[in-house]
Amino acid sequence: QVTLKESGPALVKPTQTLTLTCTFSGFSLSSSGMRVSWLRQPPGKALEWLARIDWDDDKFYSTSLETRLTISKDTSKNQVVLTMTNMQPVDAGTYYCARIIYGGWHFDSWGQGTLVTVSS
Amino acid sequence: EIVLTQSPGTLSLSPGERATLSCRASQSIGSSYLAWYQLKRGQAPRLLFYDASSRANGIPDRFSGSGSGTDFTLTITRLEPEDFAVYYCQHYDSPAMYTFGQGTKLEIK
Repeated sequence: QVTLKESGPALVKPTQTLTLTCTFSGFSLSSSGMRVSWLRQPPGKALEWLARIDWDDDKFYSTSLETRLTISKDTSKNQVVLTMTNMQPVDAGTYYCARIIYGGWHFDSWGQGTLVTVSS
Repeated sequence: EIVLTQSPGTLSLSPGERATLSCRASQSIGSSYLAWYQLKRGQAPRLLFYDASSRANGIPDRFSGSGSGTDFTLTITRLEPEDFAVYYCQHYDSPAMYTFGQGTKLEIK
């Protein structure tokens, strides 16, 4: 059974750096073709893709946010970490991690998400 | 960049009725790289369809996906209470561009 779970602070102050961890089970990110992405959904708004890391350590970022994002993986711990610098109130929302399987392009398994508030 | 426009923004229906949700792409995307997801508050989003009409594992057959080119449809026949949620369409462009529509909220009338 594939599971993913996001964790991190529920509240960050403006200008701080957000660090989120996706802990997953039921698959290995060292398996060829596996990929994990981070996405977010601001309150009342649409889903937005943020970043992706692949089994071979290739990394991709949203063009609008790439200067603020860093994605990394720890295969031994089955974790993917996302950092976002200079957090602002507009960055508040629910952050999700999701898996893309070999040969696919769609997000076939998701975590429940973690809600992040940005306020002083 | 492909823009996906979903309509209607909100759809009010009763259990047992048929729901038709639309997703229109700003340019032709063929019949591949179009997915549908269901989101419910507090739950993990759920993949419904990929490649426009390929049903994901465990999705009931009252759900169907169709379309190609610029016009795509998610249809739910005989709505069940658990189907009331927000639905998003999504497009992928290589190597890593993922765009979503703005969503359709399916609410109980």
